[in-house]
Amino acid sequence: SQTIHQWPATLVQPVGSPLSLECTVEGTSNPNLYWYRQAAGRGLQLLFYSVGIGQISSEVPQNLSASRPQDRQFILSSKKLLLSDSGFYLCAWSVLPIDNEQFFGPGTRLTVL
Amino acid sequence: QKEVEQDPGPLSVPEGAIVSLNCTYSNSAFQYFMWYRQYSRKGPELLMYTYSSGNKEDGRFTAQVDKSSKYISLFIRDSQPSDSATYLCAMSAGAGSYQLTFGKGTKLSVIP
Repeated sequence: SQTIHQWPATLVQPVGSPLSLECTVEGTSNPNLYWYRQAAGRGLQLLFYSVGIGQISSEVPQNLSASRPQDRQFILSSKKLLLSDSGFYLCAWSVLPIDNEQFFGPGTRLTVL
Repeated sequence: QKEVEQDPGPLSVPEGAIVSLNCTYSNSAFQYFMWYRQYSRKGPELLMYTYSSGNKEDGRFTAQVDKSSKYISLFIRDSQPSDSATYLCAMSAGAGSYQLTFGKGTKLSVIP
């Protein structure tokens, strides 16, 4: 069966510090991978989408970037965090052709102070 | 008008009640409809995945889609305290479309 891992589970960082969140998927090959942010009262916002190694699509302009160094690894980064980057970050996967059937990881709660 | 509207609740019901959760939408291109359950401080879990109009049943859960009214529902029969969570609806235009449009979620509490 497929499993998705995210770490860390929680993170408190000062404004201006760098960020690296990691997501890995087990039990499937060639998944499509997603980074979402869930902010209080604002719903789920798609940040990045990847169909393969090194292939990243950015959905919204922001202070964040994503990379996919391996087939089942997806990383979310920032060089300098802003207060507005606080939120609950979720990684998700899907497998073609059913791209809209997405499965989420446990999430990372980020607080920027 | 927002693309997907979902009453945020909170909705509080006694154990054993039938729960009805709803979303309305404005985009007639939506063909696929999903319901996710999200426990506090956890990631969303896909509960139901449906295509077009009609009903789909899975255990105590029934998803209903009325495309003519642009209205979808999730019914929970014999609700349990373990059903206490936030329920998110989501929808997309095609199976190959990775862009999901989510509701903001309805918070449900089932009281023992």
